[in-house]
Amino acid sequence: QVRLEESGGGLVKPGGSLRLSCAASGFTFSDYYMGWIRQAPGKGLEWISYISTRGSPVYYADSVKGRFPISRDNAKNSLFLQMNNLRAEDTAIYYCARVPYSSSWSFELWGQGTLVTVSS
Amino acid sequence: QSALTQPASVSGSPGQSITISCTGTSSDLGGYNYVSWYQQRPGKAPKLLIHEVSNRPSGVSKRFSGSKSGNTASLTISGLQAEDEGDYYCSSYSAINTLVVFGGGTKLTVL
Repeated sequence: QVRLEESGGGLVKPGGSLRLSCAASGFTFSDYYMGWIRQAPGKGLEWISYISTRGSPVYYADSVKGRFPISRDNAKNSLFLQMNNLRAEDTAIYYCARVPYSSSWSFELWGQGTLVTVSS
Repeated sequence: QSALTQPASVSGSPGQSITISCTGTSSDLGGYNYVSWYQQRPGKAPKLLIHEVSNRPSGVSKRFSGSKSGNTASLTISGLQAEDEGDYYCSSYSAINTLVVFGGGTKLTVL
């Protein structure tokens, strides 16, 4: 079964760090670009990061650039988002998603999301 | 404020057709054919309905269709069904600032 499953969310204080993981199964993970998209409570979707098949190049939204490095481990079929210097406005559900092919800017397969809450 | 502009809500009766618009600029939606549409049911992850303006992924109903004219893209849902209720988001590649921009979302109510 083709699937993405996020983990690692939780409650963290402002300025703290959190590492999100996304486990892929049912497809050849190393063949696909991957991305992270977030959704603040009751709000719309916001793209935040994108990584190529081999881990470089990577791309970031201005809102997370320099704070949220994205990475992947193709041997472990896993995608990661290291979230540093967290702010209240980073509170959101974080989704990992698969990109259908390298020149696409859409997301064809999504995980169920993991909730990150930044609060003191 | 979202980079792409969508109506906050639309509604229709079962069997009818509705269209959701998505307006951008020549630096994003108008300049590239990388427009996508997503459906998000309450409490669920988004689902890709349309990519590259008008292409449906395998398994997506033919009742969903996409188009683009100038700086405005449209998603049309024909033969409206109760299960179509939810939020719909457009997105596009953007040549400035962030690479992928989303619309603010449109809530579809089936009357």
